[in-house]
Amino acid sequence: SAVISQKPSRDICQRGTSLTIQCQVDSQVTMMFWYRQQPGQSLTLIATANQGSEATYESGFVIDKFPISRPNLTFSTLTVSNMSPEDSSIYLCSVEIRGDRASDTQYFGPGTRLTVL
Amino acid sequence: AQKITQTQPGMFVQEKEAVTLDCTYDTSDQSYGLFWYKQPSSGEMIFLIYQGSYDEQNATEGRYSLNFQKARKSANLVISASQLGDSAMYFCAMREGHNFNKFYFGSGTKLNVKP
Repeated sequence: SAVISQKPSRDICQRGTSLTIQCQVDSQVTMMFWYRQQPGQSLTLIATANQGSEATYESGFVIDKFPISRPNLTFSTLTVSNMSPEDSSIYLCSVEIRGDRASDTQYFGPGTRLTVL
Repeated sequence: AQKITQTQPGMFVQEKEAVTLDCTYDTSDQSYGLFWYKQPSSGEMIFLIYQGSYDEQNATEGRYSLNFQKARKSANLVISASQLGDSAMYFCAMREGHNFNKFYFGSGTKLNVKP
């Protein structure tokens, strides 16, 4: 497994502003992902963070709203841009060590609780 | 169609008793993996157990076991000797062999362990 940290752990933001969430892993990992969990809901994959290239976004998520960076194999950021109250969620990053076998598990960071007023 | 279905929004169990959380899945792949995660109120997602589609034996990890019935496409989580600290949301997830990058999560089951 891996030790994953996220900053900030929580934040309260005003609508129209942007927040950047950081995800740091204690070892080099192949795959990093960003998820959103709206209140009382399950997890929805936002995008796969690719090292050295643009992230791969899932249907319904766009780069202008959720820009992602991954400058190296241990770090990624997700920005939630031009926030509205509907963006209030827990944002989780996850990592996968190898990514080439069905048994490779995704391990999650502690999450960032975002409230938009 | 839903890839992962968890039909129990909430469950109660008495401390020290066993409980089964249901999960059914839908895939046409022969190779796939099934996972269970626990999410306490703190929000972190904790990996519990994994079952591969080709595994002939049910997976076990301490007090957790996975009742894998391939023909029925079910992967129920069994927690033995429930503890108060087991109170949490539990999510079933699947990845398919043709797209290892994507995890599909169920809607979750809220487990409450009563003293």
